[in-house]
Amino acid sequence: GAVVSQHPSWVICKSGTSVKIECRSLDFQATTMFWYRQFPKQSLMLMATSNEGSKATYEQGVEKDKFLINHASLTLSTLTVTSAHPEDSSFYICSARNLGNAAFGPGTRLLVL
Amino acid sequence: AQSVTQLGSHVSVSEGALVLLRCNYSSSVPPYLFWYVQYPNQGLQLLLKYTTGATLVKGINGFEAEFKKSETSFHLTKPSAHMSDAAEYFCAVSDSFGNEKLTFGTGTRLTIIP
Repeated sequence: GAVVSQHPSWVICKSGTSVKIECRSLDFQATTMFWYRQFPKQSLMLMATSNEGSKATYEQGVEKDKFLINHASLTLSTLTVTSAHPEDSSFYICSARNLGNAAFGPGTRLLVL
Repeated sequence: AQSVTQLGSHVSVSEGALVLLRCNYSSSVPPYLFWYVQYPNQGLQLLLKYTTGATLVKGINGFEAEFKKSETSFHLTKPSAHMSDAAEYFCAVSDSFGNEKLTFGTGTRLTIIP
């Protein structure tokens, strides 16, 4: 139980384009989803927390207009990196939870050229 | 505010030897503590967690960790290392089991020497 998927697993895009990453909880309804970013050889840094049906709460220093988060249903949250630049290249990982269930997705590696 | 310190960004042990990965935390409230493992290009897998109750927590793959409040530590151990244990290990703390908004340490890369 508590399986979370992410799509895509890999994405390469040109600078200036937008990229959407999906996070799905496959076998439970996630009331809360978290989005993390991990730079090479570094730890995970929480970007934002989203609760189904409400606006995401962003951590200090994370641009909410650049990293758009939508949590429209209890099984799906999306992170859109708008006008991506090379410095946005990173490993993005989501985590989904509700009471009693919590899991991390396998991550999405983004490379912006 | 919470923080996690993992001593040693790289640890190497021989196959069959004891694994000890250190984690110290700082929290203004009773903490919930976690250890996660990450294999290359993959997400995080929960090894074990401490919420309340018994301070010695057993997890998957033969790992265990002991919560020591007086030392603010939550070190991860395994009696006998296996080649498949080679991975990145992250210690994390949360101030709320229900929220589970995690603060991660910087990670320890475990290498197993044949």
